[in-house]
Amino acid sequence: DTGVSQNPRHKITKRGQNVTFRCDPISEHNRLYWYRQTLGQGPEFLTYFQNEAQLEKSRLLSDRFSAERPKGSFSTLEIQRTEQGDSAMYLCASSLLSRGPETQYFGPGTRLLVL
Amino acid sequence: AQTVTQSQPEMSVQEAETVTLSCTYDTSESDYYLFWYKQPPSRQMILVIRQEAYKQQNATENRFSVNFQKAAKSFSLKISDSQLGDAAMYFCAYRLPTSGTYKYIFGTGTRLKVLA
Repeated sequence: DTGVSQNPRHKITKRGQNVTFRCDPISEHNRLYWYRQTLGQGPEFLTYFQNEAQLEKSRLLSDRFSAERPKGSFSTLEIQRTEQGDSAMYLCASSLLSRGPETQYFGPGTRLLVL
Repeated sequence: AQTVTQSQPEMSVQEAETVTLSCTYDTSESDYYLFWYKQPPSRQMILVIRQEAYKQQNATENRFSVNFQKAAKSFSLKISDSQLGDAAMYFCAYRLPTSGTYKYIFGTGTRLKVLA
């Protein structure tokens, strides 16, 4: 399977703990997006990478959130000092830089529950 | 600020029938992209169809077509000959061409049920 993969698929943590999620995009894709999706809502944009450069961050991405994409390959999203409000599905998507509206390929998501 | 509104939280359609899902958006831009994404239960989100705002012709992908009304800022999705596999959450999304922002804005979704 050469699609977008995310690990872990599920994470339960206690409030105050740090968590890290990983996204492996489709290999030739140079664009990578992170989203957060809560129950009954659509995905909310968190951040965007073009190759290894983080070009845009949403105001939703507080100081407790950090994302990296070393060498323009896989990406990690870390949440420090988790809060119950961080409980959500975290989605990663990748695409190929192109003219016009590109197709985003989504991963299965990581579901986070903060107790 | 750009917003995307899907006013139908849930829709039902009989198998083989046609259903239309509504989406409206608010923007002051003249050039943008619009998308419909499908999220089946416990499965990955996939692109259904996309439309570039400067194109007047409505996009079509097999049984899926859109009715793009730029002046009304409306972008509805029509699914013809509905199949059981069409049951999913459908999200409308908006994005500007790359001009300083890469942000996608999604609506809250419409859950489509297909009745056998």
